[in-house]
Amino acid sequence: DTGVSQNPRHKITKRGQNVTFRCDPISEHNRLYWYRQTLGQGPEFLTYFQNEAQLEKSRLLSDRFSAERPKGSFSTLEIQRTEQGDSAMYLCASSLLQNYGYTFGSGTRLTVV
Amino acid sequence: EDQVTQSPEALRLQEGESSSLNCSYTVSGLRGLFWYRQDPGKGPEFLFTLYSAGEEKEKERLKATLTKKESFLHITAPKPEDSATYLCAWGRDDKIIFGKGTRLHILP
Repeated sequence: DTGVSQNPRHKITKRGQNVTFRCDPISEHNRLYWYRQTLGQGPEFLTYFQNEAQLEKSRLLSDRFSAERPKGSFSTLEIQRTEQGDSAMYLCASSLLQNYGYTFGSGTRLTVV
Repeated sequence: EDQVTQSPEALRLQEGESSSLNCSYTVSGLRGLFWYRQDPGKGPEFLFTLYSAGEEKEKERLKATLTKKESFLHITAPKPEDSATYLCAWGRDDKIIFGKGTRLHILP
């Protein structure tokens, strides 16, 4: 297993466009998390899945954001009608149930111009 | 409101100069206190979990300790490769919440 994989690593998009990121977790991990991180700040929780069920969404996750985890494997995070304030590093992590030792991917850096 | 505060925000040390990073918390029903290391352009890397006051964990030049109000990450005789941002986090419900981190720079 090569750990948590995120694609793309970088994405530059024009304001108003839609973008989609992909996360492939460690195969045996039940839980998958999405975080967002801006410069000089710690990662902020967005949402998490247990298998294919999305169990919690932060109030930071506006209606323009949607996440899926079909079949409990990889996950996608889509941002519709991007805004400049969406520019950030989007981090994915996975863990075994009840285990807080998250394994993070290297993130997708989004720049909205 | 539950929160953790990390200090200092940034720290520059000479190679071999030991020091400590602080994470003070006011969290009701703490379900674990965590330390992560983050290198520029990468995701955080898990270091330690502490669950109860008095607990200590060690890994190479790092030692994490926990009291009822704060946690310390002690760095002994650091090397330039220890330069990174160190994040403190706490468990709430089924997720962890991160502090803003301490940027550590070790000068050769």
